[in-house]
Amino acid sequence: EVQLVESGGGLVQPGRSLRLSCVASGFTFDAHAMYWVRQAPGKGLEWVSGITWNSNIVAYADSVKGRFTISRDNAKNSLYLQMNSLRPEDTAFYYCAKALTYYTSGTPWDWGQGTLVTVSS
Amino acid sequence: QSALTQPASVSGSPGQSITISCTRSGSDVGDDNYVSWYQQHPGKAPKLMMYDVTKRPSGVSNRFSGSKSGNTASLTISGLQTEDEADYYCSSYTSRSRTWVFGGGTKLTVL
Repeated sequence: EVQLVESGGGLVQPGRSLRLSCVASGFTFDAHAMYWVRQAPGKGLEWVSGITWNSNIVAYADSVKGRFTISRDNAKNSLYLQMNSLRPEDTAFYYCAKALTYYTSGTPWDWGQGTLVTVSS
Repeated sequence: QSALTQPASVSGSPGQSITISCTRSGSDVGDDNYVSWYQQHPGKAPKLMMYDVTKRPSGVSNRFSGSKSGNTASLTISGLQTEDEADYYCSSYTSRSRTWVFGGGTKLTVL
């Protein structure tokens, strides 16, 4: 059974940083691209970032480009999202998702339960 | 970047069929075959219901079907059941930017 468990969320002040983690199990982690998708409370889904199986290609939504960095450690079956210069509008549940394929064209398939990030003073 | 537009809400009675549309607009042309649909119940993670426009993941009821015409994709749910009441999101991939985009979501009410 595929499991994706996010952690690292919490309350943080505007302008500060936070690092999210996602530990994967139940599948061959290094055979799949991975994503971060967020959802502000009561709002819709927003794709944030994606990374290929070998980290060669990363992509970001315009809303986070230059502030967020996605990375992965295949030896640890882990995905990360380093979030810098946080803004109140970054407040959301952050979901880790597994792609169907090696590449970022792969449909987001399985999802974790999410971790809540709240940016507020 | 592309934007995906969905109706805010649709409704139907048990046993009826409904269709949710997803229209793509914007300067980036999304890749035609990379359209997915997700179902999300309150407080739960999204669940994939359709991918590559018309493909159904294993375990998803065949009451769900997908289609596409021009720049509009559609999700049809036939034989509506009360458990189908949820939010539904479409998504599309753009290979030029290697990004995904989600529609704003449609709240399905089963009356």
